[in-house]
Amino acid sequence: DAMVIQNPRYQVTQFGKPVTLSCSQTLNHNVMYWYQQKSSQAPKLLFHYYDKDFNNEADTPDNFQSRRPNTSFCFLDIRSPGLGDAAMYLCATQDGSVNQRKHFGDGTRLSIL
Amino acid sequence: AQSVTQPDIHITVSEGASLELRCNYSYGATPYLFWYVQSPGQGLQLLLKYFSGDTLVQGIKGFEAEFKRSQSSFNLRKPSVHWSDAAEYFCAVGVNTGFQKLVFGTGTRLLVSP
Repeated sequence: DAMVIQNPRYQVTQFGKPVTLSCSQTLNHNVMYWYQQKSSQAPKLLFHYYDKDFNNEADTPDNFQSRRPNTSFCFLDIRSPGLGDAAMYLCATQDGSVNQRKHFGDGTRLSIL
Repeated sequence: AQSVTQPDIHITVSEGASLELRCNYSYGATPYLFWYVQSPGQGLQLLLKYFSGDTLVQGIKGFEAEFKRSQSSFNLRKPSVHWSDAAEYFCAVGVNTGFQKLVFGTGTRLLVSP
């Protein structure tokens, strides 16, 4: 059974039109991550939540925001998507212990028209 | 700064042949090292990890990796490749900043020929 679920699997939006990607988990993990993976590139961490504490990577554009209303859900909001934001967005969770493995969802592929 | 290098962008291996995917890392402290596999259109699946102890680690699907501190390497191996192993493989170093940020290499795409 899927433990980290990302919806939708494929998302198409228009240039400049806000879009929200969602991630839910059944693992009750307190850490949730969002990664951006552009075509043929490595995943790149955008930000993470440790419980309700939000931690932004220094080079994450301001255009990207996140919300975590409860332990199970985390959202990625792109306020004004540009063509360069087309990518696969991966959500991952982790138990708070540093040595615990991360669990990745299958990702949402975002296309910008 | 920490970084991971996977020098091979593509590798083609015949089914049944052995496989070695190379990974070199740069990190000032004791590294946490990982190998992930990604099938097309899917997320990342952990194959194996090294935190400490035995430098030869066993993973799922018959994979193993050897940590060599002197060479700053963590190469992935499999003695006999199956067609289902065709995928993208990512090496990563965990930066222990309190939550273990992963820094990934650029990946190696494995193609398996009949």
